[in-house]
Amino acid sequence: GDSVTQMEGPVTLSEEAFLTINCTYTATGYPSLFWYVQYPGEGLQLLLKATKADDKGSNKGFEATYRKETTSFHLEKGSVQVSDSAVYFCALTPRNSGNTPLVFGKGTRLSVIA
Amino acid sequence: DTEVTQTPKHLVMGMTNKKSLKCEQHMGHRAMYWYKQKAKKPPELMFVYSYEKLSINESVPSRFSPECPNSSLLNLHLHALQPEDSALYLCASSLGGVSYEQYFGPGTRLTVT
Repeated sequence: GDSVTQMEGPVTLSEEAFLTINCTYTATGYPSLFWYVQYPGEGLQLLLKATKADDKGSNKGFEATYRKETTSFHLEKGSVQVSDSAVYFCALTPRNSGNTPLVFGKGTRLSVIA
Repeated sequence: DTEVTQTPKHLVMGMTNKKSLKCEQHMGHRAMYWYKQKAKKPPELMFVYSYEKLSINESVPSRFSPECPNSSLLNLHLHALQPEDSALYLCASSLGGVSYEQYFGPGTRLTVT
């Protein structure tokens, strides 16, 4: 079945450091890919998405590129802030799949220290 | 506006109580979802309603009973819960079929005593 694998956390960075959170997937066909962010005590927010190969999703300084050849969708940010501290979930949904919902990775907790 | 609202924000209930969680969206989305999230885990899908009909039930115990009164509202009725049911309950919605991106509400933090 479809699956998402994220790098193990927690990840601790100093403010203004470069961030990469790795995400790889296994899916039949051509899934849509997402990054969600969950701040402490809140629900999940859609951070960015990509629906086809070589698409780049971007939002709030975060970027991720849909790499079909490596089945990856790594999240990057050039300069993190304390306010970016949260849990980040990579997810996919198969396209043209009917009733198959989101498949989540296990999540990566990011802590940014001043 | 990509807002999904949930009430209540927090709920404490005893094992013999009956309570309901409510979810609402006004984005014209036709698929709505209930998830359960335990600490430090990703959300686990419980139910999916597509065009107001239950389309997915992930083998959830009958003490959880979903209801979709109309395309904007989703309820989760709770009865005779166990302490292990304590979790964050998240509602989400998506535009059409379940393969579109989902927008989540803030969740209801449920504690069963």
